[in-house]
Amino acid sequence: DARVTQTPRHKVTEMGQEVTMRCQPILGHNTVFWYRQTMMQGLELLAYFRNRAPLDDSGMPKDRFSAEMPDATLATLKIQPSEPRDSAVYFCASGLLADTQYFGPGTRLTVL
Amino acid sequence: GESVGLHLPTLSVQEGDNSIINCAYSNSASDYFIWYKQESGKGPQFIIDIRSNMDKRQGQRVTVLLNKTVKHLSLQIAATQPGDSAVYFCAENMTGRRALTFGSGTRLQVQP
Repeated sequence: DARVTQTPRHKVTEMGQEVTMRCQPILGHNTVFWYRQTMMQGLELLAYFRNRAPLDDSGMPKDRFSAEMPDATLATLKIQPSEPRDSAVYFCASGLLADTQYFGPGTRLTVL
Repeated sequence: GESVGLHLPTLSVQEGDNSIINCAYSNSASDYFIWYKQESGKGPQFIIDIRSNMDKRQGQRVTVLLNKTVKHLSLQIAATQPGDSAVYFCAENMTGRRALTFGSGTRLQVQP
């Protein structure tokens, strides 16, 4: 049963610290998405990649967020420095093209 | 991204009844639609999809209906069970666009 995996599942950190979230997409999927979900804003698209190349990261705060795909089996989302307003659940999803996306379990980030 | 806010519309049904969750979309050019289910503490889970050349598609206990004339999508769940309690999202896409657009969620509460 192929699934998207994300680590860590939970992260508590202090303001100003660097946070790195990792995602392993489903093998064979060529598109990877990063989303942020909060109670107030809902599900927001932050960035996505196709064949490891970034296609759109307009949803990300550029000064502190960065997303990369070092290889086809790993996507990373980094926040440096983190701020309390970054507290949210971050989801990674993968798929073929832009159609059906399969979501990971999420990383719940709390920035104190 | 769309809203999953504190004031999610909520549908409350009795166990065993049929549920109908509705979604209005705004882009008449959208040609692909998905329903996702999100349980508490988990990522959105793919339920069923439909393309615009169809107006109905059935899965196991679920049926999606598409009315392109009024830009309306619905998810019908037969014999609703307590395990169906979750937030349900519709999402849409169109050929050539790069990512799904998620609709507002609906919370389904199943009363035993």
